[in-house]
Amino acid sequence: QKEVEQDPGPLSVPEGAIVSLNCTYSNSAFQYFMWYRQYSRKGPELLMYTYSSGNKEDGRFTAQVDKSSKYISLFIRDSQPSDSATYLCAASRGGSYIPTFGRGTSLIVHP
Amino acid sequence: DVKVTQSSRYLVKRTGEKVFLECVQDMDHENMFWYRQDPGLGLRLIYFSYDVKMKEKGDIPEGYSVSREKKERFSLILESASTNQTSMYLCASSQRGGTSDPPRETQYFGPGTRLLVL
Repeated sequence: QKEVEQDPGPLSVPEGAIVSLNCTYSNSAFQYFMWYRQYSRKGPELLMYTYSSGNKEDGRFTAQVDKSSKYISLFIRDSQPSDSATYLCAASRGGSYIPTFGRGTSLIVHP
Repeated sequence: DVKVTQSSRYLVKRTGEKVFLECVQDMDHENMFWYRQDPGLGLRLIYFSYDVKMKEKGDIPEGYSVSREKKERFSLILESASTNQTSMYLCASSQRGGTSDPPRETQYFGPGTRLLVL
């Protein structure tokens, strides 16, 4: 079992929908959580990061961590076709310089 | 902005050839990484380096070697390319010291090299 699990999708939604992307993790020592966005045939780019539990908002994006249930979420409001990409979550123990990545969820936002 | 560049976007090589993939970062990061990414398998760590001339094996080092002669440059070498090494190769870098916002573990990726071995 991987330490960070993601449903690969694809998740297909209409433009304007609220999207919820989720990961679960098994290592309770994880302290930092990151979301990357990867467009087709490109490298992943950092989208958001958050520490421990709680929410973090950046424009249309909200990252949420629930350490009690070991659940990581990324919400996208007013989704756009340009949001179509693969989203990777990642977690890190802190003090270790190698994060653990999920396999990614493919999101398709259709007009 | 952190910039990580990779020497080629697309490469086609023959089985048995020696292949060099180069990565350069301009943010003075100590740590550099090579991953391969395959459909359904996600990112798999091949090798990483936390300092010049230092290297550590990742999860799938077999068939690969690396070189880090300068802080900003990290090379991946396929000693004798095989068809099962056809993949997307991604280089990343991260800082070791300094501030922790964003977390030091945050990796910054290059655009990737799509390698096809025939």
